[in-house]
Amino acid sequence: EIVMTQSPGTLSVSPGERATLYCRASQSLRGHLAWYQQKPGQAPRLLMFGASTRATGIPTRFSGSGSGTEFTLTISSLQSEDFAVYYCQQYNDWPYTFGQGTKLEI
Amino acid sequence: EVQLVQSAGEVKKPGESLTISCKGSGYTFTNYWISWLRQMPGKGLEWMGRIDLSDSYTNYSPSFEGHVTISADKSITTAYLQLSSLKASDTAMYYCARRDDTPDYWGQGTLVTVSS
Repeated sequence: EIVMTQSPGTLSVSPGERATLYCRASQSLRGHLAWYQQKPGQAPRLLMFGASTRATGIPTRFSGSGSGTEFTLTISSLQSEDFAVYYCQQYNDWPYTFGQGTKLEI
Repeated sequence: EVQLVQSAGEVKKPGESLTISCKGSGYTFTNYWISWLRQMPGKGLEWMGRIDLSDSYTNYSPSFEGHVTISADKSITTAYLQLSSLKASDTAMYYCARRDDTPDYWGQGTLVTVSS
């Protein structure tokens, strides 16, 4: 099973700042990496797939990059609605697995 | 509008079984897989298994195989997750989601509490 490791566990930033979240896989994913946002009491929302392709309706301030085993999600100018928990997920090998999450807080 | 609507939360006793439903609407149900995911209290997401609605093929994560059964009734565009021999450690939010790889639409979640 591929192990996904996210860092940092918690990231404290201010609105308007840039946030960079990291995700590392225990083996190469060939770009099969997705990112999700989850707010308290809500289901996760797909942000990104294929490491760098925004899902439908996702603002352009969200961008993804990376390949192989190292990936990043960048939020260029944080809005109040962006404070949430973010998960990366690999879909290269079954069972698909998630990172433990990064909490983005003010 | 694509929607996945799950059945309401339940409280169960250890050893009991439970079936959660997930009704899809707003899209061609059989064109997509349905996945089931678990989120234990305060924890991250775990992929339990998935079903191809075109032919009802299923596959399960090894962590859940033998403990859960995923099925569907295409005629009513509904997928099911059956949990057997419930334990307190099965207390969690369970989500259904559309797609087998990168879920793009999610149900609202079903909270299952297992307590004696």
